[in-house]
Amino acid sequence: NAGVTQTPKFQVLKTGQSMTLQCAQDMNHNSMYWYRQDPGMGLRLIYYSASEGTTDKGEVPNGYNVSRLNKREFSLRLESAAPSQTSVYFCASRKRGEVEQYFGPGTRLTVT
Amino acid sequence: SQQGEEDPQALSIQEGENATMNCSYKTSINNLQWYRQNSGRGLVHLILIRSNEREKHSGRLRVTLDTSKKSSSLLITASRAADTASYFCATDARGQGAQKLVFGQGTRLTINP
Repeated sequence: NAGVTQTPKFQVLKTGQSMTLQCAQDMNHNSMYWYRQDPGMGLRLIYYSASEGTTDKGEVPNGYNVSRLNKREFSLRLESAAPSQTSVYFCASRKRGEVEQYFGPGTRLTVT
Repeated sequence: SQQGEEDPQALSIQEGENATMNCSYKTSINNLQWYRQNSGRGLVHLILIRSNEREKHSGRLRVTLDTSKKSSSLLITASRAADTASYFCATDARGQGAQKLVFGQGTRLTINP
C-alpha cells in the first residue's frame, strides 16, 4: 500500500497562474481532505469530501476549488494563484467509522 | 479560527528526559487526537482520546484530557533523538462528527543527545 500520495512535491507559480494538486489514496477510505500549513502554524482545512460525489468547504476555501474524481482521487485547483497561497498543502483520508486521518507527504507551493 | 492552542511552542530537552506538551481548545469536543510531524513530512497519528476518557497510554506516550478545563496534555517518557518533531493536537467539535479536524499550532520538540 502506498497510502496517500500527492503530486507534485514542489511547485513554483507566478501570480495569476493556475494549477491542480493531485491526491490519491489506495486504502479504500471514504473521506478525503485538503489542508494548508503555513510556517509555524497548524493545519487549516480548505475543503473536504465526506464521500465520493460530495464536497464541502472548510475553514479557508477562498481561492480554491476541488474535485472528487472517484473514491481514490481528490484534487485541489488554484484558478489564479496569489502570493498568499504560498504554503505547504497536505491531503488526508479517513476510513468511515474511524477518527484517525492519514496524511500524504505534502506539496510545497511557492507563488511569486 | 484555530481551536487548539498549544504550549510551549518549542521545547528542548536532553535525551532520556520526559517531555510534556499541552493543548487547550475552545468548544465541546467528541475526540482529541495527537499527531507527530517530522520535518518536511506529513502528519502521523499518535493517539486518540475520547471525550469520556481521562487518560490513555500507548507505549511511551501518555495523554490526559480534562474536559472541564478544555485541555489535554501529551507526555513522552524517556525521550529519544528520534522523538524530535513537531506535535499537534487536533479536535473534532461535538455536532460536526469526524469530518472536520481543527489543529493546534504545534509544539516543536528537540531532543538533544
